[in-house]
Amino acid sequence: RKEVEQDPGPFNVPEGATVAFNCTYSNSASQSFFWYRQDCRKEPKLLMSVYSSGNEDGRFTAQLNRASQYISLLIRDSKLSDSATYLCVVNVYGGSQGNLIFGKGTKLSVKP
Amino acid sequence: GAVVSQHPSRVICKSGTSVKIECRSLDFQATTMFWYRQFPKQSLMLMATSNEGSKATYEQGVEKDKFLINHASLTLSTLTVTSAHPEDSSFYICSARVADTNIQGKWKTQYFGPGTRLLVL
Repeated sequence: RKEVEQDPGPFNVPEGATVAFNCTYSNSASQSFFWYRQDCRKEPKLLMSVYSSGNEDGRFTAQLNRASQYISLLIRDSKLSDSATYLCVVNVYGGSQGNLIFGKGTKLSVKP
Repeated sequence: GAVVSQHPSRVICKSGTSVKIECRSLDFQATTMFWYRQFPKQSLMLMATSNEGSKATYEQGVEKDKFLINHASLTLSTLTVTSAHPEDSSFYICSARVADTNIQGKWKTQYFGPGTRLLVL
């Protein structure tokens, strides 16, 4: 089983739609969790950290279920600029973004 | 703030040559930098952890004699791909971890460089 698994997509949605991505991780000792965004041929950029209580940043909501080892990202009111690959990232060694394990990413394409 | 640069952004070289990639933290100190590699449609894979003033720690399966890492200062780490072969062609990305506890809210946050595309012919 891969350490971090995501549905590769692509998710093709119209502007304004709500879209949700899921991610599962295999190591129950994982300490911290993140969603990164990676544009084509660019480096990944931190979108948001994911906390056990769930957290929201504008149109983005992240949830963590430690019992199920499951992380989600919800994007509301999708914009064209949201088109990118979303990477689920887990830190299994503790600390803040120490050694990161990346999922392969879920590709999102927002259409006019 | 918290900018990381990489140089070069793109390199094409002949098989058998060595290629050096630089990673710099421009406005913060980084005692730890990380080197990743990403093949097309694959996830980023950590190659090694670069520690300022000491030897790098390599991930399993990464040859330390082929991928030489030097972290000579708090703002610079270099990765040298020695005797490059076509299978080394990839997107190499570094990241730097903020060491300064005085940078509010950013301590230990990891920032990525823009990456270097290596093509070995």
